[in-house]
This record gives sequence, C-alpha cells and structure tokens, in this order.
Amino acid sequence: EVQLVESGGGLVQPGGSLRLSCAASGFTFSSYWMSWVRQAPGKGLEWVANIKQDGSEKYYVDSVKGRFTISRDNAKNSLYLQMNSLRAEDTAVYYCARKVVVITTNWFDPWGQGTLVTVSS
Amino acid sequence: SYVLTQPPSVSVAPGKTARITCGGNNIGSKSVHWYQQKPGQAPVLVIYYDSDRPSGIPERFSGSNSGNTATLTISRVEAGDEADYYCQVWDSSSDHPLFGGGTKLTVL
Repeated sequence: EVQLVESGGGLVQPGGSLRLSCAASGFTFSSYWMSWVRQAPGKGLEWVANIKQDGSEKYYVDSVKGRFTISRDNAKNSLYLQMNSLRAEDTAVYYCARKVVVITTNWFDPWGQGTLVTVSS
Repeated sequence: SYVLTQPPSVSVAPGKTARITCGGNNIGSKSVHWYQQKPGQAPVLVIYYDSDRPSGIPERFSGSNSGNTATLTISRVEAGDEADYYCQVWDSSSDHPLFGGGTKLTVL
C-alpha cells in the first residue's frame, strides 16, 4: 500500500523555524517527484514546493522563496521541508504528496494525512 | 496569471446528479484533475486527465473539459459524497500547479 506519513508540525513563534518530515512507503520513492501542499484553516489548497527525483531541481511558490527549503533522502525514503522565518500566514496543515508527472501536466496522488503548523506568539 | 474559478457551494438531493464546474480561460486546452476532501481528511484524487478515474473511485464520478469550463459530475449522489472538491491544472505560464478555490458539495 502506498503511504505517506508526515510529522514535525507544531506551535512556533513568528520568526521561528520548523522542519517537517514525510516518510514514504509502498512505492519506489526515488522514482517520483514529490511535493508539499498546504491548507490554511478554512481555506483552499496551495502548492508550496516540488523536488525532482534526484533532488537536482526544486521549485517554490513565491511566498516561501528564500524561507523554505525542500529536500529528500532517497536512502531513507523521506521528504523534508525546512521552514525558517515563519509568519502567521504560514499557519496551515502541510501535506506531503507524490507528484505524478506526464508530459504536459501533473497531479498529486496520494497525499499524506497532513501535519498542522501554527505560527503564533 | 491563470485563475481557476469554482462555485463556493453546490447542493443536491440524494440520488440526483451533481455537477461542479471549474472555469478558466481556454481550460479545454489544459488537463484538469479533481480532488475530493472530506472534513478532517486529506484530499483524494478522484479524476485525472479530465476524465480518467483512479482505481477504487466509483464509476459515478466522471469528468469533462471543453472551452472555458471543466466539469466534475457525480451521478446518483450519496450522503458519503458530501465533501469539498478542488480542480487543479498545471499553469504553464508560472510552471506551477494551480488549484481552484474549492466547492463544498452538500447532500440535502
């Protein structure tokens, strides 16, 4: 069974840092792009970051560029999101998702259960 | 930048057909994917490539895409279909994935 399990969320003060992890199982992790998608309380879905299979390409939504870093460890079947200089508007449930890439499009399947990040003093 | 527009809510009686739209400029030229998110749960892919269903998704779920509107159709709606539904495309102008604002489906 393909499974993604996030961890590392919690309460952090504005300006603080947090590192999220996502443990993957049930598929060949090193063969897939991976992504982080977030959802603020009561709001819709927002893509945050992507990383290529070998980690050589990384992409971010403009609002997190320079503050967040996506990375992976294929030997550990794990995806990470290092979040620095956190702001109140970063408060959200963060989902890890496998990105399925086809020539002209891509989609996310499956998703992890999510981990809640709350930025507040 | 590209914008996807979904109605905030759609209501339907059990056993009837629900249609959830996703509007975008010439969206028919893009591939549209749909996700179902039940309260307190992670999103689940229900339609990809406009109209394909992942394994395990009931045949009651179908999709279409033409012109400026993509549509997710749920036939013979059940109480368990009550959820938020999101459309998603690849925005070639930004080279990023893009989600619609979501539609809350209420089963009356």
